[in-house]
Amino acid sequence: SAVISQKPSRDICQRGTSLTIQCQVDSQVTMMFWYRQQPGQSLTLIATANQGSEATYESGFVIDKFPISRPNLTFSTLTVSNMSPEDSSIYLCSVGGGSSYEQYFGPGTRLTVT
Amino acid sequence: GESVGLHLPTLSVQEGDNSIINCAYSNSASDYFIWYKQESGKGPQFIIDIRSNMDKRQGQRVTVLLNKTVKHLSLQIAATQPGDSAVYFCAENSSSGNTPLVFGKGTRLSVIA
Repeated sequence: SAVISQKPSRDICQRGTSLTIQCQVDSQVTMMFWYRQQPGQSLTLIATANQGSEATYESGFVIDKFPISRPNLTFSTLTVSNMSPEDSSIYLCSVGGGSSYEQYFGPGTRLTVT
Repeated sequence: GESVGLHLPTLSVQEGDNSIINCAYSNSASDYFIWYKQESGKGPQFIIDIRSNMDKRQGQRVTVLLNKTVKHLSLQIAATQPGDSAVYFCAENSSSGNTPLVFGKGTRLSVIA
C-alpha cells in the first residue's frame, strides 16, 4: 500500500484568502484524486489529477476555484481560492493502485474558514 | 480530533456482539467495491474489498457480502471491539485503481463497552 502525507493537517483561514494543500506519496503513481468531505457528509470527488496533463474536474467544481498541480508522479497540490465559510471541509488526496483496484487516502487537511 | 459523520446514521452495538453495516449502490456497471473505516481526525482506511464475480469475502474479523441482484453490500464485523468505533463507508467503481471511487453515505458505528 502507498503511504500518503498531506500538509497542512489543519488550518483556520480568513474569508477571501487562498490555501494550498500538498499531497506527497512514497511511490510513483499515475493517478491522484482530490476529494472534499463536508461536515457530517461522505466524500465527494473534486478532480482527478494525471501527471503531465490538466486535471479533470467533476460537476460543480471549477479550475478557477480549485486549481491543481501535478508536477511529478509523487506530488500534487490543491488550492482552495477566494475562500468562504462554505469551503470549510476536510480535503483528502487519494491514489490509485495502478493495475490494482485498491485506492489509498491521505490523512486529510481540515480547513476552517472564518 | 474533529469528528466526521455527525449527521450520519448510527449503529450502536454492544462490545463482543457482531455488527452488520449495510450499503446500497445504484450503478449496475460497478464491478469493484471497497469498505473503508474512518476514525475521528483521520483519512479513510481500507478494510476489505470484493469484486463483482464474488458474493462473499472474508478477512480478519470482517466479512463482506455482495448481492448484485438487489445492488446491496454489507460489512459484518465479528466480536465488535471499542476500537471498531468509527464511520464506515462503502465505495464502488467500474474500473481499475486509475478511476475514482464513488462513495456511499456512511454509517457511524458506536461500540458500547
